[in-house]
Amino acid sequence: QQQVKQSPQSLIVQKGGISIINCAYENTAFDYFPWYQQFPGKGPALLIAIRPDVSEKKEGRFTISFNKSAKQFSLHIMDSQPGDSATYFCAASMGGGTSYGKLTFGQGTILTVHP
Amino acid sequence: AAGVIQSPRHLIKEKRETATLKCYPIPRHDTVYWYQQGPGQDPQFLISFYEKMQSDKGSIPDRFSAQQFSDYHSELNMSSLELGDSALYFCASSLRDYTVEDTQYFGPGTRLTVL
Repeated sequence: QQQVKQSPQSLIVQKGGISIINCAYENTAFDYFPWYQQFPGKGPALLIAIRPDVSEKKEGRFTISFNKSAKQFSLHIMDSQPGDSATYFCAASMGGGTSYGKLTFGQGTILTVHP
Repeated sequence: AAGVIQSPRHLIKEKRETATLKCYPIPRHDTVYWYQQGPGQDPQFLISFYEKMQSDKGSIPDRFSAQQFSDYHSELNMSSLELGDSALYFCASSLRDYTVEDTQYFGPGTRLTVL
């Protein structure tokens, strides 16, 4: 059973547009929610992350919105560029116990930004 | 800045052979995670080590074993290889600090092909 559900599976946007990817989680013990960007044949690279004590975090063109009561969080990419074309994964982990730090990933979203 | 090093980058094996994947974490990082990523799939957690002790175990087959050595590098040993073991294997490292976000930095991965 997928503990972190991600949508959409694929997303096509025009250059300069806004890309929005959504994730929902089940386990309320999760307390760290990162987003990773992955290019083909490369390892995932951390984009931005949030903890449940804040509702929004912005870094440059990337913003995470977090809704604790709904157990949902989303990534917004403003002014999307062709270089942003990649697979994006949301993830979740917990900061205690033997599962400390173990990342549970969503299914991934393939983003294509057309010039 | 130093990154996570994985070797080999590519490995081709026959069914029933064995394979050893190596991971060299970022200097001073004390935690290593192994993930398996099938084609078009999200990374799945296999196993983790903290200060050279196994800390958590995921969906890792009994045919696989791993350890972290005194210099903090880690090896994933895979025996009796099956076609279904063909995947990208990522190692990630982090510095466990309960006061800040423990970002996991991923290596470039080892692409294992079982023929």
